[in-house]
Amino acid sequence: GAVVSQHPSRVICKSGTSVKIECRSLDFQATTMFWYRQFPKQSLMLMATSNEGSKATYEQGVEKDKFLINHASLTLSTLTVTSAHPEDSSFYICSVQEDRSTDTQYFGPGTRLTVL
Amino acid sequence: DAKTTQPTSMDCAEGRAANLPCNHSTISGNEYVYWYRQIHSQGPQYIIHGLKNNETNEMASLIITEDRKSSTLILPHATLRDTAVYYCIVDGGATNKLIFGTGTLLAVQP
Repeated sequence: GAVVSQHPSRVICKSGTSVKIECRSLDFQATTMFWYRQFPKQSLMLMATSNEGSKATYEQGVEKDKFLINHASLTLSTLTVTSAHPEDSSFYICSVQEDRSTDTQYFGPGTRLTVL
Repeated sequence: DAKTTQPTSMDCAEGRAANLPCNHSTISGNEYVYWYRQIHSQGPQYIIHGLKNNETNEMASLIITEDRKSSTLILPHATLRDTAVYYCIVDGGATNKLIFGTGTLLAVQP
């Protein structure tokens, strides 16, 4: 399956600052990427679907102005958490959809964000 | 997308087969059954998926009942590294989304 990387793996920032997380598809050109977040002891929750060259589609309850997604190339999508607050502390995970005929997704290793 | 029901947790002895059940009684004809697992503090890992027929790959086997209302993921020889949360997801592809439930925490015991 597709190999996906994320950078950084961990980030600690002060409240009010913005943090950018990169998701790269290393061996596959991904027209569609997904962003999830996971709070401690909870399951993954889909935040948004990122489509190359177009605006992301956000899930209900996810603020598009707070979580900026850019998918400018077939191998890179970025998630920027703007004006981060402690409640944004979470595990952020991206995935790529390799085959549009199925929903098989391949996930990155995740980014642990801690907002102080 | 159909909802799935999985046990919260299971134990398995190292070297034995781990059989993880999943109920998906409301599955519709074009919906696939996907299995992923998540080792602590890592991203989920794709394991296997199927529609009607049983499937096998290098990681596991997927047994789907004839009425497709339930399935079982089989890890033939569990190792300590198989300790993870296993997610069973049913999806028809209409939305391209995977909706994760709470999964089953499989603990492989030495």
